[in-house]
Amino acid sequence: QKEVEQDPGPLSVPEGAIVSLNCTYSNSAFQYFMWYRQYSRKGPELLMYTYSSGNKEDGRFTAQVDKSSKYISLFIRDSQPSDSATYLCAMRTNNAGNMLTFGGGTRLMVKP
Amino acid sequence: EPEVTQTPSHQVTQMGQEVILRCVPISNHLYFYWYRQILGQKVEFLVSFYNNEISEKSEIFDDQFSVERPDGSNFTLKIRSTKLEDSAMYFCASKLGDRGNSPLHFGNGTRLTVT
Repeated sequence: QKEVEQDPGPLSVPEGAIVSLNCTYSNSAFQYFMWYRQYSRKGPELLMYTYSSGNKEDGRFTAQVDKSSKYISLFIRDSQPSDSATYLCAMRTNNAGNMLTFGGGTRLMVKP
Repeated sequence: EPEVTQTPSHQVTQMGQEVILRCVPISNHLYFYWYRQILGQKVEFLVSFYNNEISEKSEIFDDQFSVERPDGSNFTLKIRSTKLEDSAMYFCASKLGDRGNSPLHFGNGTRLTVT
């Protein structure tokens, strides 16, 4: 079983739709969960950073972590064409210090 | 907003040659990293660096790889004898501290092509 799994997509939605992106993981020691956005030929850009279980909201973005199910989600409200990118989940344990484990990314396309 | 900068954006080299990838982390950051992303695959951790020494490294980071912080601003990744399978995007990243809520900031990467 892969440590972090993410549907590669592509996920195509109309502008204004609510987008749901998800990752599952197998390592119950993961404590810190991140979502990065990556545009083509660019580095990952941090969107959301959460610790342990719960929800976190920032503008149009909401991150959810369900540690009991080993499942994390990113919701994008009122999606825009500029949201079209690859979304990467990443996570680490409390002891890893520095090493992030990434999902493979979901490619999102928001059509005007 | 401060950012991590990487040079060159694209490096082409022949198999067996040495390459040095360069990074300028965000100026007040203390922790530095290299990750790589082979085309179509996941972003993978290579190495982390703090206080002028390697703090963690992955299985990928073998004896062919080395990192250095030669001065107060640059952070380099050297591959001694490149192989075809080293072709990838190499991302440098930095963060301010080791606290759990200190996020990692990535540069835009160097695309390494080994022919």
